[in-house]
Amino acid sequence: AQKITQTQPGMFVQEKEAVTLDCTYDTSDPSYGLFWYKQPSSGEMIFLIYQGSYDQQNATEGRYSLNFQKARKSANLVISASQLGDSAMYFCAMMNSGGYQKVTFGTGTKLQVIP
Amino acid sequence: DTEVTQTPKHLVMGMTNKKSLKCEQHMGHRAMYWYKQKAKKPPELMFVYSYEKLSINESVPSRFSPECPNSSLLNLHLHALQPEDSALYLCASSQEGRFEQFFGPGTRLTVL
Repeated sequence: AQKITQTQPGMFVQEKEAVTLDCTYDTSDPSYGLFWYKQPSSGEMIFLIYQGSYDQQNATEGRYSLNFQKARKSANLVISASQLGDSAMYFCAMMNSGGYQKVTFGTGTKLQVIP
Repeated sequence: DTEVTQTPKHLVMGMTNKKSLKCEQHMGHRAMYWYKQKAKKPPELMFVYSYEKLSINESVPSRFSPECPNSSLLNLHLHALQPEDSALYLCASSQEGRFEQFFGPGTRLTVL
């Protein structure tokens, strides 16, 4: 069974500062994918970034980077230069190998960016 | 076309009504998903279709009936719902061999 843990129910960050959202996972499958989604109050789940279990380098997408530490089973999201529009719920998620298997979501972290 | 669309955006229905939610994607993805999301909770998987065949049903009550008429379209037929079924219903799709799923904007369903 796979499990995702997000221990920060809510976070505050000052505009233009960087923030790290924590995510740890547990799986016995050697092949898996880790992602982060952003969900604004409008409801849409916006795909942010993906890290494969065999990827050697940490994933980056613009202001988003994923700090992947395989031995510690952590996949933290780093948002640099926070913007007011970054205020949203952030979900860490995992899917095991196969591509069409079940995605396991964490409980989410609500990020609020303060002007 | 790089998006998943869902209609309607909002739906209010009584417990005796029959309604349908629609999801469409034109990205050539061969897997499509229905999720249910209650307020302040993560999405919960309901159904997975792979190559237009139902591959996963997460023990969803029969008052929810999925249908995949073709590779671009996914429907969720609703009948005799309960007020506790009120939630955001999200559709997603994914490409073969890829892990990441792309979500639609969702339908906010209220059952009276």
